[in-house]
Amino acid sequence: QQKVQQSPESLTVSEGAMASLNCTFSDGTSNNFRWYRQHSAKGLEVLVSIFSDGEKEEGRFTAHLNRANLHVSLHIREPQPSDSAVYLCAVSPSGYNKLTFGKGTVLLVSP
Amino acid sequence: NSKVIQTPRYLVKGQGQKAKMRCIPEKGHPVVFWYQQNKNNEFKFLINFQNQEVLQQIDMTEKRFSAECPSNSPCSLEIQSSEAGDSALYLCASSPGLGGAETLYFGSGTRLTVL
Repeated sequence: QQKVQQSPESLTVSEGAMASLNCTFSDGTSNNFRWYRQHSAKGLEVLVSIFSDGEKEEGRFTAHLNRANLHVSLHIREPQPSDSAVYLCAVSPSGYNKLTFGKGTVLLVSP
Repeated sequence: NSKVIQTPRYLVKGQGQKAKMRCIPEKGHPVVFWYQQNKNNEFKFLINFQNQEVLQQIDMTEKRFSAECPSNSPCSLEIQSSEAGDSALYLCASSPGLGGAETLYFGSGTRLTVL
């Protein structure tokens, strides 16, 4: 059964500094990886999807995938206080979009 | 921004009561998923549909939970007899398809509190 772990549990960065979040997964046959953001008590907003090793950029959000190391990361360039939220890593197998989530990283961006 | 609409936003029930929540998927999305997010931020898949057909559901869903996605009506998730452990955020998501590259778009959720 797929296990998804995120680190750190919480992260505080200053406005404008790079924020880096990590996610490891257990099933190396997984093909589909997404980062979602959840503001307090609200729904999930998809930030970036990545399906092959390497890098994928969507605006200020960049995902890096290394399937051999079972690792995917998210880097947020020039974070703003409005980026303060829970960031969730979600993994799905090849051919099916049923997601397994990590428990999230709580990001606080201080002015 | 997601166009998945969930109602009600908040739901408060006593133990043993029925709890029903609704979801209107994004237009043109035949696939609907329901997830439960507990206070520890753990996500649990409950059930999914393609059009009106159930594709997969967990044991918990088969016993006290029921769900449907009738044509031309909102999808719904109902807990027949609520328990304290059911208190959670229930998230509905829709997708254009089931392929791995198809993104799930989530609604804002229904926050259920069972007293």
